[in-house]
Amino acid sequence: DTAVSQTPKYLVTQMGNDKSIKCEQNLGHDTMYWYKQDSKKFLKIMFSYNNKELIINETVPNRFSPKSPDKAHLNLHINSLELGDSAVYFCASRASGGEGETQYFGPGTRLLVL
Amino acid sequence: AQSVTQLGSHVSVSEGALVLLRCNYSSSVPPYLFWYVQYPNQGLQLLLKYTTGATLVKGINGFEAEFKKSETSFHLTKPSAHMSDAAEYFCAVSDDTGRRALTFGSGTRLQVQP
Repeated sequence: DTAVSQTPKYLVTQMGNDKSIKCEQNLGHDTMYWYKQDSKKFLKIMFSYNNKELIINETVPNRFSPKSPDKAHLNLHINSLELGDSAVYFCASRASGGEGETQYFGPGTRLLVL
Repeated sequence: AQSVTQLGSHVSVSEGALVLLRCNYSSSVPPYLFWYVQYPNQGLQLLLKYTTGATLVKGINGFEAEFKKSETSFHLTKPSAHMSDAAEYFCAVSDDTGRRALTFGSGTRLQVQP
């Protein structure tokens, strides 16, 4: 039983294309996150949703648009892909109360823009 | 703003030797602190966390860390390294708002020599 899953695992595409990455969690959590890990392994928060409401929107190009159709899903759509978007994108989820400090991460989506 | 500094981007130890990975943080409020491990081409797995209470916390795979407020440190240790411990280790601090976004250190790659 995968707690946080992402699709696709690998994504190779051309500059200028539009692509989406999907994330699903079956933990019953109501807060979800997108992080970007660059080529130097540095991880940085991009977005967060709590119960379908956007609560974190860091300084990210507006070509990136998150969407949360329900609290178990958080998708990331990227328009007009650029070379610099190549990275690993991680989804994570967290419960609101109790053990809510811990974020559980998905396996990542490795995006390569050519 | 919070920040995390991990001293040493690469640490190499012999199998059976002590593992010490250093982490210092800055935070204006009592922090929530985490260590995550990332194996090649995988997501992040929680090793251990400090929220409140006992300052020496034990995690999975024999790792432990001690929260030292006076030194603003949260160093990760393991008495005896195994080959399977070779991975990238990330220290992180959770923000002091309800959003709980993680700010990560730059990571430390642990190599274990036979």
